Amino acid sequence: DAGVTQSPTHLIKTRGQQVTLRCSPKSGHDTVSWYQQALGQGPQFIFQYYEEEERQRGNFPDRFSGHQFPNYSSELNVNALLLGDSALYLCASSLTPDTQYFGPGTRLTVL
Amino acid sequence: AQSVTQLGSHVSVSEGALVLLRCNYSSSVPPYLFWYVQYPNQGLQLLLKYTSAATLVKGINGFEAEFKKSETSFHLTKPSAHMSDAAEYFCAVSTSTGRRALTFGSGTRLQVQP
Repeated sequence: DAGVTQSPTHLIKTRGQQVTLRCSPKSGHDTVSWYQQALGQGPQFIFQYYEEEERQRGNFPDRFSGHQFPNYSSELNVNALLLGDSALYLCASSLTPDTQYFGPGTRLTVL
Repeated sequence: AQSVTQLGSHVSVSEGALVLLRCNYSSSVPPYLFWYVQYPNQGLQLLLKYTSAATLVKGINGFEAEFKKSETSFHLTKPSAHMSDAAEYFCAVSTSTGRRALTFGSGTRLQVQP
């Protein structure tokens, strides 16, 4: 059983650019949540998608947006990148809002 | 709103010694509590969870945690540390009113000395 997968593994962008990160949930899971983990800190909740709609959002600006597809996979988009957006972006999946299982993350570096 | 406080950003133990990682939470509604482990350059792996059943929860790799409502605590323990336990440990809380979005503590880095 494949767990949560994320792509790409690493990404380097420059300030002002846009980035798209991708996540495939664990088999049978229909809910995807995204978290940002800055270096040396705990993950912070960005938003959660269920039935292709954003259901809950953390304290992140509108530059952060997402999408969920009919097969439950999800994308995280970040516009107008700032240096402070450099972080590990973690995707977690669950069956409805239940225990979340995390992927390996995408390391984003903004120069 | 909920929050988590992990006391001690770094904990060092000898191999074979008791591991105790502290977590206190704040929540206005009954919480769900979790411990996750993160190895270098990896994602988070679920160690154990409390979801209002038994207050003593057993997880993987010999870890366990006890939910104490009166102390608002959910400390993680392991009787005998192994070198492979060296990692970052995160305590997290969620509630049913928040669609289970996780609020994490700042983490505790566990070092195991030979």
